[in-house]
Amino acid sequence: GAVVSQHPSRVICKSGTSVKIECRSLDFQATTMFWYRQFPKQSLMLMATSNEGSKATYEQGVEKDKFLINHASLTLSTLTVTSAHPEDSSFYICSARDRLGSNQPQHFGDGTRLSIL
Amino acid sequence: AQSVTQPDIHITVSEGASLELRCNYSYGATPYLFWYVQSPGQGLQLLLKYFSGDTLVQGIKGFEAEFKRSQSSFNLRKPSVHWSDAAEYFCAVGPPSHYKYIFGTGTRLKVLA
Repeated sequence: GAVVSQHPSRVICKSGTSVKIECRSLDFQATTMFWYRQFPKQSLMLMATSNEGSKATYEQGVEKDKFLINHASLTLSTLTVTSAHPEDSSFYICSARDRLGSNQPQHFGDGTRLSIL
Repeated sequence: AQSVTQPDIHITVSEGASLELRCNYSYGATPYLFWYVQSPGQGLQLLLKYFSGDTLVQGIKGFEAEFKRSQSSFNLRKPSVHWSDAAEYFCAVGPPSHYKYIFGTGTRLKVLA
């Protein structure tokens, strides 16, 4: 089945550091990828939609200068948390949808646990 | 407004017992419907999906779900739960374009040995 790889799985870093998270579709091409944030014991909150070759679409309340998204190819999207602070600590999950064929659901990566000290 | 409701935050069942997780939605048209499972510290795995046709859909790991349009529900069922089924379960709805899924708040399943 469709596989989405997310890296790294866990990051611990100091406040003020910028952190890059990668999301790769391993066996399919994805023109659209999605970035979610999940707080402990809560549901997923869509942060932004990453579009290959164009600017990402951010949800209301999400700072685009804080969460930089780049979708440089059909298999890779990156989320960079710039100048991270403790309040940015969270579980970040990406998903991707196969651009080929109809009725393709989103497939999710295993998430990245970000801890800012 | 579009929304997904999972009324049960926690459910505890004994191993071997049957399971039903509830999901109700509010959506302007017939959406695509999904159930995902999340183990601790992991991403989401797709259990099953409904697009159209037969309202009873079969998924992986012995799960099934039934779409009931009149009740705006898409409940997940399993006849006999295994200890490895302990996890968080999310119901989601979305348009046919698969853009912007709306997730429920999740149901945490605990399985007693």
